[in-house]
Amino acid sequence: GAVVSQHPSWVICKSGTSVKIECRSLDFQATTMFWYRQFPKQSLMLMATSNEGSKATYEQGVEKDKFLINHASLTLSTLTVTSAHPEDSSFYICSARDRGRGGYNSPLHFGNGTRLTVT
Amino acid sequence: KQEVTQIPAALSVPEGENLVLNCSFTDSAIYNLQWFRQDPGKGLTSLLLIQSSQREQTSGRLNASLDKSSGRSTLYIAASQPGDSATYLCAVRVGSSNTGKLIFGQGTTLQVKP
Repeated sequence: GAVVSQHPSWVICKSGTSVKIECRSLDFQATTMFWYRQFPKQSLMLMATSNEGSKATYEQGVEKDKFLINHASLTLSTLTVTSAHPEDSSFYICSARDRGRGGYNSPLHFGNGTRLTVT
Repeated sequence: KQEVTQIPAALSVPEGENLVLNCSFTDSAIYNLQWFRQDPGKGLTSLLLIQSSQREQTSGRLNASLDKSSGRSTLYIAASQPGDSATYLCAVRVGSSNTGKLIFGQGTTLQVKP
């Protein structure tokens, strides 16, 4: 089945530094990837939609200058948390849809997530 | 604005029981509905996907139903096992293009006791 790989699985950084998270579709091409954020014991909240070769679409309330998204190829999207602060500590998950298997009807596949802790 | 609610928030059952998890959504204009499983600290595993034109999907011991007009879906787990312990999330897809997004419920945390 379709596999989405996310790296790193966990990261600890100091306040004020930047962290980059990678999301790769391993055996399919994804023109669109989605970035979600999950706080402890809460559900997933969509942060932004990453479009290959164009600007990402951010959800209301998400700072695009703080959460930089780059989708330079059909298999890779990156999320960079700039000038991280403790309140950015969360679980970040990416997802992608394998259009080659069912097109727009195909299910969304998720990476294993990245646990970010900002000290 | 689409809102997804899952009841109950937590459920504990003895091994072997059949159980039902509920999901409701406020806007029936959905493209599809997907059930996921999430283990602690992990990503999501897709369990079942129901298109808006379908009424149910089955995979092994899992059966998901969809009543779009009433805004409800159920996930039925037969003969539950300790390995089924996890958080189960339902999500509805709004929009029909490739950029259509998923709106998630809060999840039901299931514990199956041996």
